[in-house]
Amino acid sequence: DAGVIQSPRHEVTEMGQEVTLRCKPISGHNSLFWYRQTMMRGLELLIYFNNNVPIDDSGMPEDRFSAKMPNASFSTLKIQPSEPRDSAVYFCASSFTTAQAPQHFGDGTRLSIL
Amino acid sequence: GENVEQHPSTLSVQEGDSAVIKCTYSDSASNYFPWYKQELGKGPQLIIDIRSNVGEKKDQRIAVTLNKTAKHFSLHITETQPEDSAVYFCADNSGGGADGLTFGKGTHLIIQP
Repeated sequence: DAGVIQSPRHEVTEMGQEVTLRCKPISGHNSLFWYRQTMMRGLELLIYFNNNVPIDDSGMPEDRFSAKMPNASFSTLKIQPSEPRDSAVYFCASSFTTAQAPQHFGDGTRLSIL
Repeated sequence: GENVEQHPSTLSVQEGDSAVIKCTYSDSASNYFPWYKQELGKGPQLIIDIRSNVGEKKDQRIAVTLNKTAKHFSLHITETQPEDSAVYFCADNSGGGADGLTFGKGTHLIIQP
């Protein structure tokens, strides 16, 4: 079975540029989560969708960050304009929408902003 | 805000010995506690989870215990093997919405041959 698929795996870009990260959740899962991992702050929840609708975006650090889920099989996380402090590994996870459903993670996008 | 504290940050054990990682949580409403294993360059992989209506769960060499009164839960790995070397994260579902996860800072488990 295909797991959560993220692209690109690595992204290096200059500050000020727009960055778009992509995620395909596991088929049949209707909850989707974006997390960010850094050495200083660990794994942090950025935003959470249920049935393509954003439920909680309180973890989104700034207005420069936005996320969309146009359909059940695709989500994007966009940073515009990007800054060096946005450098991190960004993970997407998906689960069934039942209480306490296990979340399955993709292998992440390693983002470096120069 | 809600937080999950995890100890130790690094744990080195001899192959074949047991390893124990401990976490405490602050949100009384948390009712789901997963453990993840992360290998270099990979995403976190769920290895075991426990819900608040049970005190212990076991899956082969891995077990998790939960003390709701004290708000702590632990991961136990017995008969450790080299492939158990990785970073382990505990979490609870206090992270946002109904099921967003709040993670501990991780434990780097090193299995010495």
